[in-house]
Amino acid sequence: EPEVTQTPSHQVTQMGQEVILRCVPISNHLYFYWYRQILGQKVEFLVSFYNNEISEKSEIFDDQFSVERPDGSNFTLKIRSTKLEDSAMYFCASSEAAGQAEQFFGPGTRLTVL
Amino acid sequence: QQQVKQSPQSLIVQKGGISIINCAYENTAFDYFPWYQQFPGKGPALLIAIRPDVSEKKEGRFTISFNKSAKQFSLHIMDSQPGDSATYFCAASRVGTDKLIFGTGTRLQVFP
Repeated sequence: EPEVTQTPSHQVTQMGQEVILRCVPISNHLYFYWYRQILGQKVEFLVSFYNNEISEKSEIFDDQFSVERPDGSNFTLKIRSTKLEDSAMYFCASSEAAGQAEQFFGPGTRLTVL
Repeated sequence: QQQVKQSPQSLIVQKGGISIINCAYENTAFDYFPWYQQFPGKGPALLIAIRPDVSEKKEGRFTISFNKSAKQFSLHIMDSQPGDSATYFCAASRVGTDKLIFGTGTRLQVFP
């Protein structure tokens, strides 16, 4: 069964460093998302991406964040200068269509900022 | 307005019992209400979803009940099994967006 994959599973970084989280969405999916979940809290939407453009972003997704689809398979989330409060589990998701189609989530990358 | 409130935070049920998780929302523009199931070390996976034009949707042992006037919806797991032990999230989204607004999650433990 096709699945969304994410690497690395755990990333530890120093405050102020740049990190890139990687995702490989399901191959025929066209819509891509990043969500995050701070430990013990709810899953929060960060950004949606379609046709090489951001479709929607939340207030969390400030100038420190960027997304990119550098090739036909990868979808990345970059955090330019990490803060302690960026420590969270980051989930990538993809869907075949827009309009509330099922979003398939990856297993997540746990980001720890020291 | 954008929140989805979920309760309880945790739930312990005996095998064979009924598990009930409740969610409430404020934004009447929400028109899609999925439930996600998450096992440890995995991402959330869609379990079942409902739109407000129906009051109930059943898939196997899982049923969503939807009360549009009360702005509430709930997940019922019949004949709960130890394999159902997971965290359950309700979510909502509105027309014109794919952004899911998640509830805070319910950790369900089903004991044999």
